[in-house]
Amino acid sequence: DAGVIQSPRHEVTEMGQEVTLRCKPISGHDYLFWYRQTMMRGLELLIYFNNNVPIDDSGMPEDRFSAKMPNASFSTLKIQPSEPRDSAVYFCASSSGQGGGEQYFGPGTRLTVT
Amino acid sequence: DAKTTQPNSMESNEEEPVHLPCNHSTISGTDYIHWYRQLPSQGPEYVIHGLTSNVNNRMASLAIAEDRKSSTLILHRATLRDAAVYYCILRAPIYNFNKFYFGSGTKLNVKP
Repeated sequence: DAGVIQSPRHEVTEMGQEVTLRCKPISGHDYLFWYRQTMMRGLELLIYFNNNVPIDDSGMPEDRFSAKMPNASFSTLKIQPSEPRDSAVYFCASSSGQGGGEQYFGPGTRLTVT
Repeated sequence: DAKTTQPNSMESNEEEPVHLPCNHSTISGTDYIHWYRQLPSQGPEYVIHGLTSNVNNRMASLAIAEDRKSSTLILHRATLRDAAVYYCILRAPIYNFNKFYFGSGTKLNVKP
């Protein structure tokens, strides 16, 4: 399996622009997670889905952030409008409801908002 | 949410065993103990998990105290590739059981 795939790997954008991050989970996994990592706040869970349905979005910082999962093999995290404080590494992870619930992380998208 | 406490950093010599401690005094009877690690510039990686009994896998061993208020991740022979941040996480098996809380972890430095 190719593992969790994220794109782009790096994104540089100007304040006010819309940013869309993409994730393809591991085939057969029914949970998908979006995390954000910064030096100040560490690794934070933003939102997670089960069978394409958002279960908990309490970690989404504000209305500028939105996430969708239109099907089992694709999810997006959108920031509109972006701000410099959104600069971070965004990770997508997936897991199966079976077994120990191990989460498999993608390589991350490094976002820089200038 | 139950929290974990880990030392900020530890240092080890290559090819020696490493014991990474984690305190979780408020753990509930049904919380699983998970360990992940994050190598530089990579996403976190699953290492091992357990509930009550000690666990072994190809990467590491997990020793869980009898009262479950602490646990220790054991790397039997540290290599330079094991230099990473190690996170100890509690996972509740009920509502929101897939919701992990990553603390600050322990940064492990391995010396050649």
